[in-house]
Parts: sequence; structure tokens; C-alpha cells
Amino acid sequence: QAHLVESGGGLVKPGGSLRLSCAPSGFTFSDYYMSWIRQAPGRGLEWVSYITHNGRSHQSADSVKGRFTISRDNTNNALYLQMNGLTDDDTAVYYCAREVRGHYFVFDLWGQGAPVSVSS
Amino acid sequence: DIQMTQSPSSLSASVGDRVTITCRASQSVRSNLNWYQQRPGKVPKLLIYGGSTLQSGVPTRFSGSGGGTDFTLTISSLQSEDFATYFCQQSYSLPSFGGGTKIEI
Repeated sequence: QAHLVESGGGLVKPGGSLRLSCAPSGFTFSDYYMSWIRQAPGRGLEWVSYITHNGRSHQSADSVKGRFTISRDNTNNALYLQMNGLTDDDTAVYYCAREVRGHYFVFDLWGQGAPVSVSS
Repeated sequence: DIQMTQSPSSLSASVGDRVTITCRASQSVRSNLNWYQQRPGKVPKLLIYGGSTLQSGVPTRFSGSGGGTDFTLTISSLQSEDFATYFCQQSYSLPSFGGGTKIEI
């Protein structure tokens, strides 16, 4: 059965950095586009970044552009989100999500989420 | 950016009720509209994609319709496990989500 497991969340001061990781299992990771999606406490969902199956192309939301970087390691089956210059507005649960093959930005598999709290 | 607006933001319903949620896009997304269910404390779950295609394993009481800018999610007969928050999401361009509709008892 396919799964995604995030790690690396935690408490960080404003201006600080964190790197989130996502470990896939039960499917061929290198076949799939992947995204990070976040959900602030009691709020809705916000797409953050996506990366193609081979890592050659990626894009981020304007709210994190220049601060967050998505990457992947298909050899070691891992997805990453490097987050720099964190602000209070970045406080959220961060989900990694798999896209349905052939359907851009349709997310059929989600991890349990990594909580990130930005506070002084 | 495409803005997604859901209505209502919350509703009260009973088991067995027929429930309809609407989602409007700020510009046409053609049929690239998806629906997710999020139960309290749980991860979002894909219900419908492409406006009307039921994801594998999702009960047939869920259905989606619409196109262009206006879409609906219908639950034909509400079950206890359906009390949750529902989000629409456009996948026509860089994704954006609606604010959610919470179905309460």
C-alpha cells in the first residue's frame, strides 16, 4: 500500500530555516510529480510547491518564492522542502502529496503532515 | 491567480439528507476541478477529479457536476462518516483551493 511520511517539522524562530523530508513507500516514486501543500491552524489548504517526476522542473507559490526550495532524490526515494526566511505566516502543517499520473495537480495520496511553528 | 469561492462555509444537516456544496472559480477552469474531504484531525482525501470523475473507492452517493466557473458537489444521502470539511481545488493552472465547507450535525 502506498504511503508518504513527512519529517523535519518543529519550532523555529522568525528568520530561521527548516528542511522537511517526505519518504514514499509502496509505489514507484520516480514516476510521479509531487507537491507540498500546507494548512495553517484552523484554515484552508494552500499549495506551496511542485516538482516533476525527474526533478528537472519545479515551481512555487508567490507566497514562498525565493524562500522555499523543493527538491527530490529518486535514488534514495525522498522529497524535500528547504524553507528559509520563515515568518509567522508560514506556521502550518505541511503535507507532501502525490499527483495522479496524467492529471496535473490532482492529489490522490497525502502524508500525515509535518507541523511547523514559527514563533519567537 | 485563480480564486476559488465555496458556499456555504458551513451547513447543518442530518443523516439521510441530500447536501449540495457549490464552488465558483474567478475564471474558467474548464473541467479541471477537484473535491476533497477532510475529517477532523485527518488528512484530505480525494473524492472527485475532473469535475465529475469519482476517485476509486469513493461511495457513489458522492457526485460532482459543472464546468467553466461553477461546480457542485452533491452527497445524495448523508451518512455519519460524511460530517467533515470539503474543499474544492482547481487544477487548470497552479493549484488553488476553496476556503472549505464544514458539514455539521
